Amino acid sequence: EAGVVQSPRYKIIEKKQPVAFWCNPISGHNTLYWYLQNLGQGPELLIRYENEEAVDDSQLPKDRFSAERLKGVDSTLKIQPAELGDSAVYLCASSYTGYEQYFGPGTRLTVT
Amino acid sequence: QKEVEQNSGPLSVPEGAIASLNCTYSDRGSQSFFWYRQYSGKSPELIMSIYSNGDKEDGRFTAQLNKASQYVSLLIRDSQPSDSATYLCAVNAQGGSEKLVFGKGTKLTVNP
Repeated sequence: EAGVVQSPRYKIIEKKQPVAFWCNPISGHNTLYWYLQNLGQGPELLIRYENEEAVDDSQLPKDRFSAERLKGVDSTLKIQPAELGDSAVYLCASSYTGYEQYFGPGTRLTVT
Repeated sequence: QKEVEQNSGPLSVPEGAIASLNCTYSDRGSQSFFWYRQYSGKSPELIMSIYSNGDKEDGRFTAQLNKASQYVSLLIRDSQPSDSATYLCAVNAQGGSEKLVFGKGTKLTVNP
């Protein structure tokens, strides 16, 4: 079974530039999560999708972050404009049961 | 604010010893508990899940849950150098497809 796929794996951008991350969940997993992980910290949830519906986006900074999950499969997370403090690893996870979550490899973002 | 607390370590054990990792959580209504292993520069990998009080064994790993004490632990028997990683405790407070709240992780080093 293929795992969660994310791209790009690494991204370096200048502040104020836009950036987008893509995630393809494990086949058949209806729940998709975007997390942010800073160095030395555990992942923190940004947004959770059930199929194509965002059911928890309370931690998403909506002034600059947006996300979509068209057709309930792939998802894209966007930041516009990026700030220095956005440098982190952005993790996508998916779940079939709603209990056990499986993470993709992540995208390491560096904002200069 | 739901919290998950872990000793940040580092925890150092000799090869072949038992490594004991501990986690406490603040939300008494928590229902699902997970241990993730994260190698440096990699994403979290699910290694154990536990939902009921008591012990759950999987190979060299044993998860222990005590809901009355709001305490969950992970034992690694016959520790190997390849077990050296950061171990993240995660709690699903609502018992379903709600977000996971992660601890900051405990860094384990197994010395040959």
